[in-house]
Order: sequence, then structure tokens, then C-alpha cells
Amino acid sequence: EDKVVQSPLSLVVHEGDTVTLNCSYEVTNFRSLLWYKQEKKAPTFLFMLTSSGIEKKSGRLSSILDKKELFSILNITATQTGDSAVYLCAVVFTGTASKLTFGTGTRLQVTL
Amino acid sequence: DGGITQSPKYLFRKEGQNVTLSCEQNLNHDAMYWYRQDPGQGLRLIYYSQIVNDFQKGDIAEGYSVSREKKESFPLTVTSAQKNPTAFYLCASSLGTGGTSNNSPLHFGNGTRLTVT
Repeated sequence: EDKVVQSPLSLVVHEGDTVTLNCSYEVTNFRSLLWYKQEKKAPTFLFMLTSSGIEKKSGRLSSILDKKELFSILNITATQTGDSAVYLCAVVFTGTASKLTFGTGTRLQVTL
Repeated sequence: DGGITQSPKYLFRKEGQNVTLSCEQNLNHDAMYWYRQDPGQGLRLIYYSQIVNDFQKGDIAEGYSVSREKKESFPLTVTSAQKNPTAFYLCASSLGTGGTSNNSPLHFGNGTRLTVT
């Protein structure tokens, strides 16, 4: 069974800290891994990763994929209170139709 | 502005009643999806549709039904057969099959929170 596991489940940090969120997967026929940020309602797209070792970066956020060890990390540097959200990881596997399998999410709270 | 509209935002129903959640998109996306989100369980796929008049069951389709008569619309009916219908329901769409290219990540609506008592 395809499985996506995120850790930690929740995290509280102080503004300015750097955090690393983890996503590991047990997926046959892996195609891509996606990160989303969910603040209140609609998750918003952050990154899509398909190749190992290539870092994707957007401002203070970056992510990288390791297809050999089957995991990805999402880094947030110099955290701000606006980074408080649930971060979702999803994996696309190919089969009769490509679809996303989501992890449980990591709830990040950034305090002053 | 293009986007996905889910309605209503909040819905309350008595046990035993069917209820239909609306999802409309004006992004001209081919694929549409319904997810259910429960605390501690992430998003789970209920149904998805890659083309008009066709749809497939996701991982937790029991107790739900959908239709895809128009490209823009993908309503979800929560039937009385669904044992635990209280949840947050998210509709999403993608240009192609979601997650297969940088041009087609899933776009989500703002969700409908359904409470059944």
C-alpha cells in the first residue's frame, strides 16, 4: 500500500528559527512529490520535486528530494509568524491514473 | 479571476439525510477531485474525474457519489450510507493529471465544513 509519512506532526518555534520538515514515502511507481501550505482552508502549492538532489527554492523556503532513501525535506529559514500553517506533502504514483496520496501534514506554529 | 468555488462554506445536516456539496471551477481544468480532511489524517481522496462524463473512485468512496456532466462542475453527494460524514471537504482541479508537471499542480477550493448530527 502506498504510504506517505510526515514528521514531526507538530512543531512550535520562535520567530527567526530555521525549521526542517520531513516527508518519507513508500510508494511504488513514484512520479513526483509535492509540498503544499495550508493556512486556513485551501492548500496552496509550494514545490513539485521529481529529480533527486536538485533543490527547489522560493524565498526563505527550499526543498529537496532523495529518491534513493525515499524522502523529502522542506526547509524554512528565518521563520516568521506568517509561516504558521499546516504543511502537506503529497506523492504522485502512476497506475491506471495518476493521483496524489497525501501525508497527515505537519502543523507549524511560529511564536514571537 | 479564475478559481475554484465551493459552496456552502458551512453545512449542517441531520443524520440520515443526503447532502450535496457544490464545486465549480472556471480554470478550464480537465481534472477535478474531492478530498476529505479529518484531524490527524491528512487529505484522503474520495472521487476524481479526468474528463466530462467519467469519474473514478478514490480511496474512501463508500457512502459518496459524484457526477461530472459539465467540465466546470463536480458536485459531491454525501449519502446516508456514509458512516462518519462530519468532516472538512476540499475540491481541487488540475489542468492535466495533478502533480505530473509544474504546470498542473492541484488548485484547491476553500472547502466546505459539513457537520452531521
